[in-house]
Amino acid sequence: QKEVEQDPGPLSVPEGAIVSLNCTYSNSAFQYFMWYRQYSRKGPELLMYTYSSGNKEDGRFTAQVDKSSKYISLFIRDSQPSDSATYLCAMTPYSSASKIIFGSGTRLSIRP
Amino acid sequence: GAVVSQHPSWVICKSGTSVKIECRSLDFQATTMFWYRQFPKQSLMLMATSNEGSKATYEQGVEKDKFLINHASLTLSTLTVTSAHPEDSSFYICSASSPLATNEKLFFGSGTQLSVL
Repeated sequence: QKEVEQDPGPLSVPEGAIVSLNCTYSNSAFQYFMWYRQYSRKGPELLMYTYSSGNKEDGRFTAQVDKSSKYISLFIRDSQPSDSATYLCAMTPYSSASKIIFGSGTRLSIRP
Repeated sequence: GAVVSQHPSWVICKSGTSVKIECRSLDFQATTMFWYRQFPKQSLMLMATSNEGSKATYEQGVEKDKFLINHASLTLSTLTVTSAHPEDSSFYICSASSPLATNEKLFFGSGTQLSVL
């Protein structure tokens, strides 16, 4: 079993839709959770960073963490074609920059 | 924001040759750099952690003699794929952080697509 499981998609939704991306994990030591956006053949870009259960909102993006269920989500409201990318969840036990375990990524396509 | 520059972005080489990839932190001192490999439609897999002035720490299953990492200065780390073979074809990504940085301050390069013929 992988430490982090993420549905690879692809996921295609119309512009303006609400998108829900999810990851589950098995290691209860994970305390810090990230969502990255990666465009094709580019490095990942950090979108959201959380370290506690609950919700964190930043513009159209909301990150949700449920440590009891070992489940994290990223919601995108009012999705735009420019949101089309691969979204990677990531997590680590450590607060300092260190080894991060990534999910396999979900390919998202927003149709105009 | 902090920028990490990775070069080249794309390289094709013949089987048996060696390829060097550079990772530079442009506006901060990177005491730690990480090297990842990403196969198509797969996740980033950490290959090694490199600390300035010391030997890199390799993840299990990564051949240190094949993937040579040098972190000789606070702004530059290099990954050399020695005697490359087609199975080494992959997308290689570096990331860098400054001292005492949190994971929130871990910045990624734009990646290098290596194709070995």
